[in-house]
Amino acid sequence: EAQVTQNPRYLITVTGKKLTVTCSQNMNHEYMSWYRQDPGLGLRQIYYSMNVEVTDKGDVPEGYKVSRKEKRNFPLILESPSPNQTSLYFCASSPDRGRDQYFGPGTRLLVL
Amino acid sequence: SQQGEEDPQALSIQEGENATMNCSYKTSINNLQWYRQNSGRGLVHLILIRSNEREKHSGRLRVTLDTSKKSSSLLITASRAADTASYFCATQTSGSRLTFGEGTQLTVNP
Repeated sequence: EAQVTQNPRYLITVTGKKLTVTCSQNMNHEYMSWYRQDPGLGLRQIYYSMNVEVTDKGDVPEGYKVSRKEKRNFPLILESPSPNQTSLYFCASSPDRGRDQYFGPGTRLLVL
Repeated sequence: SQQGEEDPQALSIQEGENATMNCSYKTSINNLQWYRQNSGRGLVHLILIRSNEREKHSGRLRVTLDTSKKSSSLLITASRAADTASYFCATQTSGSRLTFGEGTQLTVNP
């Protein structure tokens, strides 16, 4: 089944404790992206990647890192999480940048 | 600032009625996409319309695009209770970034 998976789905952590949210797609898509969704603000793009070893900042990249060492994986790294990073995070992939995106199920993060 | 802004923020209709949602944006685009999201879940792609297209249909969905007014509309005909969800427009410019609006919450009452 073609899908985008994220892990974990739910995470509670404390300020400053490094964490990684994994994202994997099995559709051989070149384009992958991370978003955060907050009430009243819609979805905002954090980082995106057009292919292996090619990443670029979205609208709200501060406090986040990403890597794209393999085509199928695009982990989101929070080196030192802060409470303002409490949010619902979505990973998405697409065959290329001009196409529709397939979204993962979301990761709900709470930073205390 | 948000590139795409949906209007209205919330819409409540009866089953069988049509629902129309609008999206306005600010800069030139390559394409505009509409997505649906059920509460707390991932987004599902509905329709993509390119900047050189004016109208697209998919089942009960009809999307229009007016590049001179920088606006798009999503029409859902003969709505069903299962159409209850949030609907988002997203614009893609010549780069690779996709910018979402804040969404329209549609409630279809049985």
